[in-house]
Amino acid sequence: EAQVTQNPRYLITVTGKKLTVTCSQNMNHEYMSWYRQDPGLGLRQIYYSMNVEVTDKGDVPEGYKVSRKEKRNFPLILESPSPNQTSLYFCASSGQGGEKLFFGSGTQLSVL
Amino acid sequence: DAKTTQPNSMESNEEEPVHLPCNHSTISGTDYIHWYRQLPSQGPEYVIHGLTSNVNNRMASLAIAEDRKSSTLILHRATLRDAAVYYCILRGDSNYQLIWGAGTKLIIKP
Repeated sequence: EAQVTQNPRYLITVTGKKLTVTCSQNMNHEYMSWYRQDPGLGLRQIYYSMNVEVTDKGDVPEGYKVSRKEKRNFPLILESPSPNQTSLYFCASSGQGGEKLFFGSGTQLSVL
Repeated sequence: DAKTTQPNSMESNEEEPVHLPCNHSTISGTDYIHWYRQLPSQGPEYVIHGLTSNVNNRMASLAIAEDRKSSTLILHRATLRDAAVYYCILRGDSNYQLIWGAGTKLIIKP
């Protein structure tokens, strides 16, 4: 089944403790992206990747890192999480042309 | 970046058609119109997209105004499972970035 898999589904952590949210897709998609969703603000793009080893900042990249060493994986790294990064995070992927984004089920992150 | 305007919420009865409007008066000639929906506790799901002509698929129809400044997503026969937030988004042809608004919360009454 074609899907985007994020882990974990829920994560509670403390300020400053590094964490990684994993994202994997099985559709051989070139494009992958991370979004955060906050009440009243819709989805905002954090980082995106057009292909392996090619990443770029989205609208709200501060405090986040990404890497794209393999086509299928696009982890989101928070080196020193802060409470304002408490949010619902979504990973998405798309094939060439970007016509249709496939989203993961989301990761609810709480930073205390 | 081009923006879209949608009503905050709409209600409809089950098994009736639903017309969800979207205004995008600053759309450029190469912007595609995309619609996604987000069911409760799930990630967004692609619904349909188009450029100039009306489009149909198994989920919905997309009617695009002749001047492209507005569009309407049509659900031909709404079910309770169609209750979701529907997002109208513009995407340029030079990149894959989508600018998301607040969307329309669709409420389906049995």
